[in-house]
Amino acid sequence: SQTIHQWPATLVQPVGSPLSLECTVEGTSNPNLYWYRQAAGRGLQLLFYSVGIGQISSEVPQNLSASRPQDRQFILSSKKLLLSDSGFYLCAWRDYNEKLFFGSGTQLSVL
Amino acid sequence: KNQVEQSPQSLIILEGKNCTLQCNYTVSPFSNLRWYKQDTGRGPVSLTIMTFSENTKSNGRYTATLDADTKQSSLHITASQLSDSASYICVVGNKLVFGAGTILRVKS
Repeated sequence: SQTIHQWPATLVQPVGSPLSLECTVEGTSNPNLYWYRQAAGRGLQLLFYSVGIGQISSEVPQNLSASRPQDRQFILSSKKLLLSDSGFYLCAWRDYNEKLFFGSGTQLSVL
Repeated sequence: KNQVEQSPQSLIILEGKNCTLQCNYTVSPFSNLRWYKQDTGRGPVSLTIMTFSENTKSNGRYTATLDADTKQSSLHITASQLSDSASYICVVGNKLVFGAGTILRVKS
């Protein structure tokens, strides 16, 4: 069966520090992968999506970047975090049947 | 502009009661519509996914309806339970346009 792992679950980081959130998928190959951010009480905002290794599309200009070094690994990064980067980050993948699965999320607090 | 509007924004009901959540969309082209349940601090979990040709789909006490002509969908929850308290999110199309969600709180 397919599963998605996302970590860490919570993270508190000072302003200006780097960020690395990792997401891995098991039980499938060549999935479409997504990074979303959810501000408190708001809908999900698509940050990045990837249709293959090394292929990253950015939806909004921001302080973040994404990379896909392996088929089932998707990484969200920042060199210097801003206060506005705080939020709930979700990784997701979509299979060939159009089903969309989400990770458990990372609550990031930038102080 | 592709948009998904959900209503109400929030809802409080008594345990055992039924409720209906609404989703109106202007997404084009339309391919499918999904409903998700998101517990606080967790990732969304799929409830239903419907294509253009499907009018209704059930998942236990959850029943989703779709009217592709009026571009409306509803999620009906029957005999609500305390564990139904969550945010319910409507997602439309292959481009995955998200609604802001409806926050449901079930009281005992």
